Amino acid sequence: KQEVTQIPAALSVPEGENLVLNCSFTDSAIYNLQWFRQDPGKGLTSLLLIQSSQREQTSGRLNASLDKSSGRSTLYIAASQPGDSATYLCALRTGANSKLTFGKGITLSVRP
Amino acid sequence: DGGITQSPKYLFRKEGQNVTLSCEQNLNHDAMYWYRQDPGQGLRLIYYSQIVNDFQKGDIAEGYSVSREKKESFPLTVTSAQKNPTAFYLCASSSTGTYQETQYFGPGTRLLVL
Repeated sequence: KQEVTQIPAALSVPEGENLVLNCSFTDSAIYNLQWFRQDPGKGLTSLLLIQSSQREQTSGRLNASLDKSSGRSTLYIAASQPGDSATYLCALRTGANSKLTFGKGITLSVRP
Repeated sequence: DGGITQSPKYLFRKEGQNVTLSCEQNLNHDAMYWYRQDPGQGLRLIYYSQIVNDFQKGDIAEGYSVSREKKESFPLTVTSAQKNPTAFYLCASSSTGTYQETQYFGPGTRLLVL
């Protein structure tokens, strides 16, 4: 059974810092991996989607990488801002039936 | 604006009562999903539907039921058999349900037990 782990559960950094959020998974046989953002009491917004054949994806200040052999993905946020404060979840698609397996998320706080 | 709407934002359930959460999308997506989110937990799949009049159980379907009579609507009923229904419920959709696509999420419904 695929397990997705995100550690630490919470992170606080000063504004302007570059940071890396980690996601690890136990089964490397994945179709793709997504990073989502969730603001308190809100739904999820997709940030980046990496297909299994890709190594990374970039969108603005965000860069997500995927290393299937080591069972890891990272979300890099450059020059963090208070508006980046949210919970970041990674999710893997594990089969052709489109099921997503989610990590528990990392709650990020960027201090002004 | 295209998107997914969920209603109500907050819902209160009394003991032994069935309640229905609404999910509507105008994205012309074929696939729709229901997830449950508990504090400190990841999202868990309750039910999903890849086409009208068809749906499959997810990981935690017990105590829940769904219907998919229209492409744009996928209501979730929380029955009295669900003994711990307090949670945040999220509806999502994707274009065809294939593994290459992202899922788009609604704003969620928070269900509380009186």
